[in-house]
Amino acid sequence: DAMVIQNPRYQVTQFGKPVTLSCSQTLNHNVMYWYQQKSSQAPKLLFHYYDKDFNNEADTPDNFQSRRPNTSFCFLDIRSPGLGDAAMYLCATSSQGPLHFGNGTRLTVT
Amino acid sequence: QQQVKQSPQSLIVQKGGISIINCAYENTAFDYFPWYQQFPGKGPALLIAIRPDVSEKKEGRFTISFNKSAKQFSLHIMDSQPGDSATYFCAASRRAVSRDDKIIFGKGTRLHILP
Repeated sequence: DAMVIQNPRYQVTQFGKPVTLSCSQTLNHNVMYWYQQKSSQAPKLLFHYYDKDFNNEADTPDNFQSRRPNTSFCFLDIRSPGLGDAAMYLCATSSQGPLHFGNGTRLTVT
Repeated sequence: QQQVKQSPQSLIVQKGGISIINCAYENTAFDYFPWYQQFPGKGPALLIAIRPDVSEKKEGRFTISFNKSAKQFSLHIMDSQPGDSATYFCAASRRAVSRDDKIIFGKGTRLHILP
Protein backbone atom coordinates (compact mmCIF):
# COMPACT_ATOMS: atom_id res chain seq x y z
CA ASP A 1 0.00 0.00 0.00
CA ALA A 2 1.18 3.49 -0.80
CA MET A 3 1.87 5.31 2.39
CA VAL A 4 3.86 7.77 4.48
CA ILE A 5 6.32 6.13 6.86
CA GLN A 6 8.00 7.85 9.75
CA ASN A 7 10.95 6.57 11.71
CA PRO A 8 11.47 6.10 14.51
CA ARG A 9 8.04 5.93 16.15
CA TYR A 10 9.52 6.99 19.46
CA GLN A 11 12.67 9.01 19.99
CA VAL A 12 14.24 9.97 23.29
CA THR A 13 17.02 12.54 23.26
CA GLN A 14 18.84 14.57 25.84
CA PHE A 15 18.49 18.29 26.23
CA GLY A 16 20.73 19.92 23.61
CA LYS A 17 21.60 16.68 21.78
CA PRO A 18 20.85 16.87 18.04
CA VAL A 19 18.23 14.54 16.68
CA THR A 20 17.01 13.66 13.17
CA LEU A 21 13.57 12.38 12.31
CA SER A 22 12.88 10.78 8.96
CA CYS A 23 9.94 10.44 6.62
CA SER A 24 9.52 8.47 3.43
CA GLN A 25 6.62 8.25 1.01
CA THR A 26 5.58 5.90 -1.76
CA LEU A 27 2.79 8.18 -3.00
CA ASN A 28 5.07 10.19 -5.31
CA HIS A 29 3.47 13.39 -4.01
CA ASN A 30 5.25 16.62 -4.81
CA VAL A 31 4.44 18.39 -1.56
CA MET A 32 5.79 17.25 1.80
CA TYR A 33 5.11 18.82 5.18
CA TRP A 34 6.45 18.67 8.70
CA TYR A 35 4.04 19.40 11.51
CA GLN A 36 4.52 19.61 15.26
CA GLN A 37 1.61 18.47 17.40
CA LYS A 38 1.38 18.88 21.15
CA SER A 39 -1.27 17.05 23.09
CA SER A 40 -4.87 18.03 22.39
CA GLN A 41 -3.81 20.66 19.87
CA ALA A 42 -4.05 20.96 16.11
CA PRO A 43 -0.96 20.16 14.05
CA LYS A 44 1.28 23.21 13.67
CA LEU A 45 3.08 23.60 10.36
CA LEU A 46 6.86 23.90 10.63
CA PHE A 47 7.96 23.65 6.98
CA HIS A 48 6.82 22.42 3.64
CA TYR A 49 8.47 21.50 0.37
CA TYR A 50 6.68 22.20 -2.86
CA ASP A 51 8.80 20.01 -5.12
CA LYS A 52 12.30 21.17 -4.19
CA ASP A 53 11.19 24.61 -3.03
CA PHE A 54 11.55 24.93 0.72
CA ASN A 55 9.06 27.04 2.66
CA ASN A 56 9.76 27.90 6.27
CA GLU A 57 6.96 29.15 8.52
CA ALA A 58 7.79 32.51 10.07
CA ASP A 59 7.42 31.23 13.63
CA THR A 60 9.39 28.00 13.20
CA PRO A 61 12.36 28.16 15.60
CA ASP A 62 15.83 28.41 14.07
CA ASN A 63 16.61 25.23 15.98
CA PHE A 64 14.59 23.29 13.39
CA GLN A 65 15.88 22.50 9.92
CA SER A 66 14.78 20.22 7.14
CA ARG A 67 16.22 18.40 4.16
CA ARG A 68 14.56 16.78 1.18
CA PRO A 69 17.21 14.93 -0.80
CA ASN A 70 14.69 13.47 -3.25
CA THR A 71 10.94 13.16 -3.86
CA SER A 72 10.55 10.20 -1.50
CA PHE A 73 12.46 11.29 1.59
CA CYS A 74 12.36 14.21 3.97
CA PHE A 75 14.22 14.79 7.23
CA LEU A 76 13.63 17.01 10.23
CA ASP A 77 16.75 18.03 12.15
CA ILE A 78 16.47 19.53 15.61
CA ARG A 79 19.87 20.97 16.36
CA SER A 80 19.59 21.60 20.09
CA PRO A 81 16.36 20.20 21.46
CA GLY A 82 14.83 21.91 24.44
CA LEU A 83 12.19 20.58 26.82
CA GLY A 84 9.61 22.59 24.92
CA ASP A 85 10.33 20.63 21.75
CA ALA A 86 8.87 17.45 23.20
CA ALA A 87 5.93 16.69 20.93
CA MET A 88 4.59 14.44 18.20
CA TYR A 89 6.18 15.27 14.84
CA LEU A 90 4.02 14.47 11.85
CA CYS A 91 5.09 14.18 8.25
CA ALA A 92 2.45 14.58 5.56
CA THR A 93 2.28 14.61 1.79
CA SER A 94 -0.20 15.92 -0.74
CA SER A 95 -0.68 16.26 -4.45
CA GLN A 96 -4.11 17.75 -5.01
CA GLY A 97 -6.54 17.65 -2.13
CA PRO A 98 -6.10 15.77 1.12
CA LEU A 99 -3.06 15.45 3.32
CA HIS A 100 -1.69 11.96 3.86
CA PHE A 101 -0.10 11.73 7.29
CA GLY A 102 2.39 9.30 8.70
CA ASN A 103 1.85 7.97 12.20
CA GLY A 104 4.33 10.40 13.63
CA THR A 105 7.43 10.32 15.79
CA ARG A 106 6.90 10.94 19.49
CA LEU A 107 9.91 12.95 20.71
CA THR A 108 10.83 12.99 24.38
CA VAL A 109 13.52 15.37 25.64
CA THR A 110 15.16 14.47 28.95
CA GLN B 1 -8.80 35.86 7.08
CA GLN B 2 -6.96 32.61 7.56
CA GLN B 3 -8.69 31.22 10.64
CA VAL B 4 -10.93 28.19 10.87
CA LYS B 5 -13.00 28.22 14.03
CA GLN B 6 -14.11 24.83 15.32
CA SER B 7 -16.61 24.00 18.06
CA PRO B 8 -17.18 22.42 20.45
CA GLN B 9 -13.78 21.73 21.95
CA SER B 10 -15.06 18.47 23.44
CA LEU B 11 -18.22 16.46 23.01
CA ILE B 12 -19.77 13.51 24.81
CA VAL B 13 -22.51 11.56 23.02
CA GLN B 14 -24.41 8.44 23.93
CA LYS B 15 -23.94 5.39 21.74
CA GLY B 16 -26.42 5.54 18.89
CA GLY B 17 -26.76 9.31 19.08
CA ILE B 18 -25.80 11.99 16.57
CA SER B 19 -22.47 13.80 16.99
CA ILE B 20 -22.27 17.27 15.44
CA ILE B 21 -19.11 19.34 15.08
CA ASN B 22 -19.13 22.79 13.52
CA CYS B 23 -16.55 24.87 11.69
CA ALA B 24 -16.50 28.37 10.26
CA TYR B 25 -13.98 29.85 7.87
CA GLU B 26 -13.16 33.34 6.68
CA ASN B 27 -11.22 33.10 3.43
CA THR B 28 -13.60 32.86 0.48
CA ALA B 29 -10.74 31.56 -1.69
CA PHE B 30 -10.88 28.24 0.12
CA ASP B 31 -12.51 25.54 -1.99
CA TYR B 32 -11.65 22.33 -0.20
CA PHE B 33 -12.94 21.38 3.24
CA PRO B 34 -11.73 18.08 4.69
CA TRP B 35 -12.33 16.48 8.05
CA TYR B 36 -9.56 14.46 9.67
CA GLN B 37 -9.96 11.83 12.37
CA GLN B 38 -7.12 11.17 14.77
CA PHE B 39 -6.82 8.34 17.25
CA PRO B 40 -4.31 8.52 20.13
CA GLY B 41 -0.78 7.74 18.98
CA LYS B 42 -1.71 7.90 15.29
CA GLY B 43 -1.48 10.54 12.61
CA PRO B 44 -4.67 12.24 11.42
CA ALA B 45 -6.45 10.44 8.59
CA LEU B 46 -8.84 11.89 6.06
CA LEU B 47 -12.41 11.03 6.98
CA ILE B 48 -14.49 12.92 4.43
CA ALA B 49 -14.14 16.10 2.39
CA ILE B 50 -16.39 18.48 0.49
CA ARG B 51 -16.07 21.15 -2.17
CA PRO B 52 -18.33 24.23 -2.12
CA ASP B 53 -20.25 23.27 -5.26
CA VAL B 54 -22.39 20.88 -3.18
CA SER B 55 -24.27 21.48 0.07
CA GLU B 56 -23.98 17.99 1.48
CA LYS B 57 -21.81 14.91 1.15
CA LYS B 58 -22.53 11.60 2.81
CA GLU B 59 -20.26 8.60 3.28
CA GLY B 60 -21.78 5.89 5.40
CA ARG B 61 -22.59 7.32 8.84
CA PHE B 62 -20.58 10.50 8.17
CA THR B 63 -22.12 13.57 6.53
CA ILE B 64 -20.68 17.00 5.82
CA SER B 65 -23.15 19.86 5.53
CA PHE B 66 -21.86 22.97 3.81
CA ASN B 67 -23.32 26.49 3.87
CA LYS B 68 -21.37 28.66 1.45
CA SER B 69 -23.17 31.92 2.21
CA ALA B 70 -22.58 31.54 5.95
CA LYS B 71 -19.05 30.20 5.40
CA GLN B 72 -19.78 27.29 7.69
CA PHE B 73 -19.55 23.53 7.45
CA SER B 74 -20.29 20.76 9.87
CA LEU B 75 -19.66 17.07 10.42
CA HIS B 76 -22.54 14.83 11.48
CA ILE B 77 -21.87 11.33 12.74
CA MET B 78 -25.06 9.29 12.75
CA ASP B 79 -25.53 6.28 15.04
CA SER B 80 -22.32 7.21 16.89
CA GLN B 81 -20.28 4.24 18.11
CA PRO B 82 -17.59 3.91 20.81
CA GLY B 83 -15.08 3.30 18.00
CA ASP B 84 -15.77 6.83 16.76
CA SER B 85 -14.17 8.22 19.93
CA ALA B 86 -11.28 10.28 18.59
CA THR B 87 -10.19 13.84 17.94
CA TYR B 88 -11.67 15.44 14.84
CA PHE B 89 -10.10 18.33 12.96
CA CYS B 90 -11.77 20.37 10.26
CA ALA B 91 -9.56 22.10 7.74
CA ALA B 92 -9.79 24.45 4.80
CA SER B 93 -7.55 25.14 1.85
CA ARG B 94 -7.48 25.59 -1.87
CA ARG B 95 -7.61 22.21 -3.55
CA ALA B 96 -5.00 23.18 -6.14
CA VAL B 97 -2.13 23.53 -3.71
CA SER B 98 0.43 26.07 -4.82
CA ARG B 99 3.70 27.10 -3.24
CA ASP B 100 2.06 29.78 -1.14
CA ASP B 101 -1.01 27.83 -0.08
CA LYS B 102 -1.52 26.64 3.43
CA ILE B 103 -3.95 24.19 4.92
CA ILE B 104 -5.65 25.80 7.88
CA PHE B 105 -6.79 23.50 10.68
CA GLY B 106 -9.46 24.05 13.29
CA LYS B 107 -8.36 23.50 16.88
CA GLY B 108 -9.97 20.09 17.11
CA THR B 109 -12.87 18.43 18.89
CA ARG B 110 -12.31 15.56 21.27
CA LEU B 111 -15.30 13.24 20.85
CA HIS B 112 -16.18 10.57 23.38
CA ILE B 113 -18.99 8.12 22.71
CA LEU B 114 -20.44 6.54 25.84
CA PRO B 115 -21.04 2.77 25.52
